[in-house]
Amino acid sequence: DAGITQSPRHKVTETGTPVTLRCHQTENHRYMYWYRQDPGHGLRLIHYSYGVKDTDKGEVSDGYSVSRSKTEDFLLTLESATSSQTSVYFCAISTDRAMDGYTFGSGTRLTVV
Amino acid sequence: GESVGLHLPTLSVQEGDNSIINCAYSNSASDYFIWYKQESGKGPQFIIDIRSNMDKRQGQRVTVLLNKTVKHLSLQIAATQPGDSAVYFCAENGAGNMLTFGGGTRLMVKP
Repeated sequence: DAGITQSPRHKVTETGTPVTLRCHQTENHRYMYWYRQDPGHGLRLIHYSYGVKDTDKGEVSDGYSVSRSKTEDFLLTLESATSSQTSVYFCAISTDRAMDGYTFGSGTRLTVV
Repeated sequence: GESVGLHLPTLSVQEGDNSIINCAYSNSASDYFIWYKQESGKGPQFIIDIRSNMDKRQGQRVTVLLNKTVKHLSLQIAATQPGDSAVYFCAENGAGNMLTFGGGTRLMVKP
């Protein structure tokens, strides 16, 4: 999607290894979010950021950490990947918490073997 | 592309027919609602939104209806086309003014 890029698009990693997913935006939006999407669960919020160095937990934050050192970049780290973290991960950005809607990236498919 | 979901409710319609996708939302205090479309291998894309002071809003070929009494939202797509095949999500601004997403409905358009 225009203005928001996720990398990598696909990754296979082994259980126990660290993994970092990157979200980059060119819209200068204040808010950034990480979601995971799994069959039967829809989109679930992992972490979000409301500014540089300002982050908070979502409903499924266990096993994940985030960092935002610049407005444009929001990193999601799995310190020690587990098979239960196999999922599709989406980053989203917004100008305001909800009323302007969210713009989503194209997603990262992560497989933990 | 990424698999959106293997166990989603599915609506199958004939090309050219109208489609109606329904969503029950959870928070009676929500005052803003959005419909998103997600095609295979892509992220969700904004379709249309509605604020709680309205009960109907129209876009190009799409209409959203809001019934606050029963906490129900619907998306109507007129003259459904093959390009409309996707998963559709509703979202509400719930707790903490964050968006909360519904589970989604898969729309399949038969040629």
